[in-house]
Amino acid sequence: SQTIHQWPATLVQPVGSPLSLECTVEGTSNPNLYWYRQAAGRGLQLLFYSVGIGQISSEVPQNLSASRPQDRQFILSSKKLLLSDSGFYLCAWSPMSLSRGSLGGSPLHFGNGTRLTVT
Amino acid sequence: GNSVTQMEGPVTLSEEAFLTINCTYTATGYPSLFWYVQYPGEGLQLLLKATKADDKGSNKGFEATYRKETTSFHLEKGSVQVSDSAVYFCALSRPGNMLTFGGGTRLMVKP
Repeated sequence: SQTIHQWPATLVQPVGSPLSLECTVEGTSNPNLYWYRQAAGRGLQLLFYSVGIGQISSEVPQNLSASRPQDRQFILSSKKLLLSDSGFYLCAWSPMSLSRGSLGGSPLHFGNGTRLTVT
Repeated sequence: GNSVTQMEGPVTLSEEAFLTINCTYTATGYPSLFWYVQYPGEGLQLLLKATKADDKGSNKGFEATYRKETTSFHLEKGSVQVSDSAVYFCALSRPGNMLTFGGGTRLMVKP
């Protein structure tokens, strides 16, 4: 069966420090991968998605970046954290879709999230 | 563009009460619709889905019907339990399996 692992579970970082959150998926190949952020009291915002190694699309301009060095590994990074980067970060995967143009319909499977507090 | 609107919470109910959480959407084409649940401190879990008009998704006593004419996907449960306390998210799919989420509705069930 497929599993998704995300770490760390919680993180407290000072403003201006770097960030690296890691997500790995097991039991599937060529998944679509996603990073979402949930700010306090708000819904989920899609930050990045990836349909393959080295292919990253950003939904919103921001202080963060993402990379996919391996098929089932997705990393969220920042060089210098801002206070506004605090939130709950969720990694997710779905079965491969050939392109942005392909029809949706497969559910996303989420990791347990990382709670980031920037102080 | 695509968007999802949910009723604002928190929704507070007594155990065994009937639950409705409203969800309406705006989308081009015919998206699939989902309900996700988030228990405290955890990620999101898929609760149910519907892929076309008039489909009814159901799971763990929860139901939602894809209503194209009213662009709605309201979540219902006949008798809630304390263990149902969580945040519920309505979502629609966009091409590429990306989801657009509503703002979430917190449900609190009291014994």
